[in-house]
Amino acid sequence: KAGVTQTPRYLIKTRGQQVTLSCSPISGHRSVSWYQQTPGQGLQFLFEYFSETQRNKGNFPGRFSGRQFSNSRSEMNVSTLELGDSALYLCASSLGGTNTDTQYFGPGTRLTVL
Amino acid sequence: AQRVTQPEKLLSVFKGAPVELKCNYSYSGSPELFWYVQYSRQRLQLLLRHISRESIKGFTADLNKGETSFHLKKPFAQEEDSAMYYCALSSYNTDKLIFGTGTRLQVFP
Repeated sequence: KAGVTQTPRYLIKTRGQQVTLSCSPISGHRSVSWYQQTPGQGLQFLFEYFSETQRNKGNFPGRFSGRQFSNSRSEMNVSTLELGDSALYLCASSLGGTNTDTQYFGPGTRLTVL
Repeated sequence: AQRVTQPEKLLSVFKGAPVELKCNYSYSGSPELFWYVQYSRQRLQLLLRHISRESIKGFTADLNKGETSFHLKKPFAQEEDSAMYYCALSSYNTDKLIFGTGTRLQVFP
């Protein structure tokens, strides 16, 4: 079974631009969650989608948004990029039935904002 | 507020020594607790979760609700255990994981 894939793996943008990151979950998984990982703040939850609906949201500004498609693939968008948005963005997928489901992480997208 | 605390950034031991990675949590309900591990150049992956009461790669973790702790233990460390370990909790009906800041375990030969 193929694992969680994320594209692109690396991205360089400048302040003020916007960016879209993509995540393809494991086949059959209906839940996709996004996390931001930085050296200073560690792993922080962004949002979770289940069956195309946002089920949970972390404490990030509205510049961060996401969506999920009918095939469970998910995208996250960051508008008006700031230097502090430089981070590794991880997505994770699970069956989504209960909070005890194993979450499988992708390799991440490394975003650098100049 | 939900919070996970891992007090040690770095834990260094010699091969064969016992290991205990500490994790304390703050949560008003009954959380699910997990340990995730990230080996060098690999993606984050689940090591174990308290509900399974299992031992993975010789590691065990017991949930102590009185002390709100979920420490990870292994009686005899191996060099291949060197990695970054994250404690995490999730609440009912959500996949949202709250992570601790992580502990880097270094096992020397």
